Amino acid sequence: AIQMTQSPSSLSASVGDRVTISCRASQAIRSDLGWYQQKPGQAPKVLIYAASTLQSGVPSRFSGSGSGTDFTLTISSLQSEDFATYYCLQDYNYPRTFGQGTKVEVK
Amino acid sequence: EVQLVESGGGLVQPGGSLRLSCVASGFSFSSDWMGWVRQAPGKGLEWVANIKYDGSEKNYADSVKGRLTISRDNAKNSVYLQMNSLRGEDTAVYYCVRDNTYSQSGAWFDAFDIWGQGTTVTVS
Repeated sequence: AIQMTQSPSSLSASVGDRVTISCRASQAIRSDLGWYQQKPGQAPKVLIYAASTLQSGVPSRFSGSGSGTDFTLTISSLQSEDFATYYCLQDYNYPRTFGQGTKVEVK
Repeated sequence: EVQLVESGGGLVQPGGSLRLSCVASGFSFSSDWMGWVRQAPGKGLEWVANIKYDGSEKNYADSVKGRLTISRDNAKNSVYLQMNSLRGEDTAVYYCVRDNTYSQSGAWFDAFDIWGQGTTVTVS
């Protein structure tokens, strides 16, 4: 199975900060990667698919980049509602695998 | 309203069985892949299984293969997860998801774009 490794595991940031989360695949997965946001007590929601395509309704401050093995989720200006845990997910092959998550906390 | 509603979770002893159900509404269920994702207490997300729109293809995580079985009934807009030989490590919130497929530049990509609220399974 493809291993997805996110970094950092957690980070502290303030409203207005630019935040970057990385995800590395154990083998090349083209652009077959999505990013998900989960808030406490809620189901996750998809932010980005195909590495860089914003899901309908997701604010434009979220962006994704990368291909092959290295991917990045960027929040250009962190808002209060963005404090959450973020996961990457590869859909290149089966079994699908998530990264371990990155928790974005208030500084 | 587009939604997925899970049911069937509960407390079960190790080695026992449970059947989860998920009813879909607000979208063309019979045209979509569906799946299950779980989350153990305080842990990250784990993909469990998915099933093709007509039920002809199923895929499983290695950790559940041979014990959990996904199925669907398009007439009832429902997807199921039959869970047998349950273990403590199966304790989790189980989410039903629509595994949507997007076409872009001649390639196909997946995304779990609809999630249920989750149902809790405790094996103890």
